Amino acid sequence: EVQLVESGGGLVQPGGSLRLSCAASGFTFSSYAMHWVRQAPGKGLEYVSAISSNGGSTYYANSVKGRFTISRDNSKNTLYLQMGSLRAEDMAVYYCARHGYSYGLGLDYWGQGTLVTVSS
Amino acid sequence: QSVLTQPPSVSGAPGQRVTISCTGSSSNIGAGYDVHWYQQLPGTAPKLLIYGNSNRPSGVPDRFSGSKSGTSASLAITGLQAEDEADYYCQSYDSSLSGPHVVFGGGTKLTVL
Repeated sequence: EVQLVESGGGLVQPGGSLRLSCAASGFTFSSYAMHWVRQAPGKGLEYVSAISSNGGSTYYANSVKGRFTISRDNSKNTLYLQMGSLRAEDMAVYYCARHGYSYGLGLDYWGQGTLVTVSS
Repeated sequence: QSVLTQPPSVSGAPGQRVTISCTGSSSNIGAGYDVHWYQQLPGTAPKLLIYGNSNRPSGVPDRFSGSKSGTSASLAITGLQAEDEADYYCQSYDSSLSGPHVVFGGGTKLTVL
């Protein structure tokens, strides 16, 4: 059974940093691109970042570029999102998601999400 | 402002049919990229509902169907049930210098009357 479990969320002050983790199991983690998607309270889904299966390629939404870093450790089956210079508008539930083998398969599995609260 | 445009809300009575539109442009849906749909029940994570424009993952009832034409896509739900009340999001890909990247619609809240 495919499982994605996020952790690392919590309360952080504006300007602070936080590292999210997503532990994957039930599939060959190193074969799949992985993504972070967030959802602010009462709002829709917002794409944040992506990383290729081997970590060689990354993508960031303009809203987080230069402040967030996505990475993965295929030996630990874990995806990370290092978040810095956090702002009030970064407050959201952060989901990790697996992308299917091709563009035709979509984000086929999602974690339960971890809440990041940015407040003084 | 989302790259893909969805109506904020739709509603229907039990048993009825509803559709949710997803409008893009020549750089995403119109460029030939597939459209996927996600269902988010209250308080839960999104779940893949339709992939590759019109395919249902195992376990998704055939009451749900998807289609794509030109720069738009649609999700249709027939035989509406109370349990279908949820938020629905379309997703595709948009071209950029760094390669195609994921884009979402703003989401549509379905209310079952």
